[in-house]
Amino acid sequence: QEKVQQSPESLIVPEGAMSSLNCTFSNSASQSIWWYQQHPGKGPEALISIFSNGNKKEGRLTVYLNRASLHVSLHIRDSQPSDSAVYLCAVASSGSWQLIFGSGTQLTVMP
Amino acid sequence: DTTVKQNPRYKLARVGKPVNLICSQTMNHDTMYWYQKKPNQAPKLLLFYYDKILNREADTFEKFQSSRPNNSFCSLYIGSAGLEYSAMYLCASSSGTISNERLFFGHGTKLSVL
Repeated sequence: QEKVQQSPESLIVPEGAMSSLNCTFSNSASQSIWWYQQHPGKGPEALISIFSNGNKKEGRLTVYLNRASLHVSLHIRDSQPSDSAVYLCAVASSGSWQLIFGSGTQLTVMP
Repeated sequence: DTTVKQNPRYKLARVGKPVNLICSQTMNHDTMYWYQKKPNQAPKLLLFYYDKILNREADTFEKFQSSRPNNSFCSLYIGSAGLEYSAMYLCASSSGTISNERLFFGHGTKLSVL
């Protein structure tokens, strides 16, 4: 079964800095990779997804996918205190009907 | 409205007693999921309904039941709660049958078993 590992477990950055989160997965044939954001007391909310090798940019978010190295990263430009949350990486496993989640990175943006 | 609603928000149960959690969505989504999340662990898929077809994960097959009386509602049932069932239970829905579709999550039900 697909395995998803996230690093670091926690990340503290000052307001305005770039936040960089990492995720590795075990199956290069995985269909798509998602990033979800979860604030305290709320359910995860989908932020951005990527299907093809390369990068994808949406607003302050950029995702890089390298299937050869089984690695995906999420970068948040100009981080804001409201970005403080748990970020979950999720991989759609090829031939399966489910998303496999990592255990998350706790991001704290200090004002 | 892209809301998935879960009830109750918090649930206290005694060991050995049954537990029933409720989820609803008004997006007419085909698929509804139940995940279990424990602190510092990844959300773990327990089961999902595609339309009226229930799919349960092999390692949780005997521990959880579910019903979907109509497209909008889905329940998660634990016949006899144990201490290991204490966790956050997240309900989600999606419009597709494949996992390339984004999931919409509810805020979760925190279950504490004493």
